Amino acid sequence: KNQVEQSPQSLIILEGKNCTLQCNYTVSPFSNLRWYKQDTGRGPVSLTIMTFSENTKSNGRYTATLDADTKQSSLHITASQLSDSASYICVVSDRGSTLGRLYFGRGTQLTVWP
Amino acid sequence: EADIYQTPRYLVIGTGKKITLECSQTMGHDKMYWYQQDPGMELHLIHYSYGVNSTEKGDLSSESTVSRIRTEHFPLTLESARPSHTSQYLCASSVQIRGRTEAFFGQGTRLTVV
Repeated sequence: KNQVEQSPQSLIILEGKNCTLQCNYTVSPFSNLRWYKQDTGRGPVSLTIMTFSENTKSNGRYTATLDADTKQSSLHITASQLSDSASYICVVSDRGSTLGRLYFGRGTQLTVWP
Repeated sequence: EADIYQTPRYLVIGTGKKITLECSQTMGHDKMYWYQQDPGMELHLIHYSYGVNSTEKGDLSSESTVSRIRTEHFPLTLESARPSHTSQYLCASSVQIRGRTEAFFGQGTRLTVV
């Protein structure tokens, strides 16, 4: 069964601190993995996308890593800001169907306190 | 930001009413999706479409129906709303770019049935 598991479920950090979010997946055959940021009551917005051959990708203060062998990804946020408070969703797509199916994790709810 | 729009953003409606959630995209994408998301939970696919006159049910059983008469428009209809339909509904479209599925989400419609 294709699954995407994220941890922790929720996280509270102080402004300026760093944090790392985890994503484990069993989706096969793997196509790509994407991290989304979803503010409360809004649609997800893509942060990074990684394919099988990519190990690290950065987008400003966000750095995603991918280990396709262990089927793990992480999202590292540096120097957190209050605006980083949101749900971060790991989404994996397969290449085994014409639909290019998307499999969603439940997300990590990040809260940044001043 | 992608050009995919959902209306209304928020809707409170009485039990038994018929409602239509609108979704439009101006990118010419053939594939479109409707997801349902309860608070703190992952997105569940309820409907998808490969193109005009193509609609399929997703993983999560839903009493809603969809239509795809035009490429840019993918409305979702509930014939008789019930409190169990209270949820957030997210519309998305996707396109294959260099072998990667690029997905774009609308802002969502938060539906409350009282």
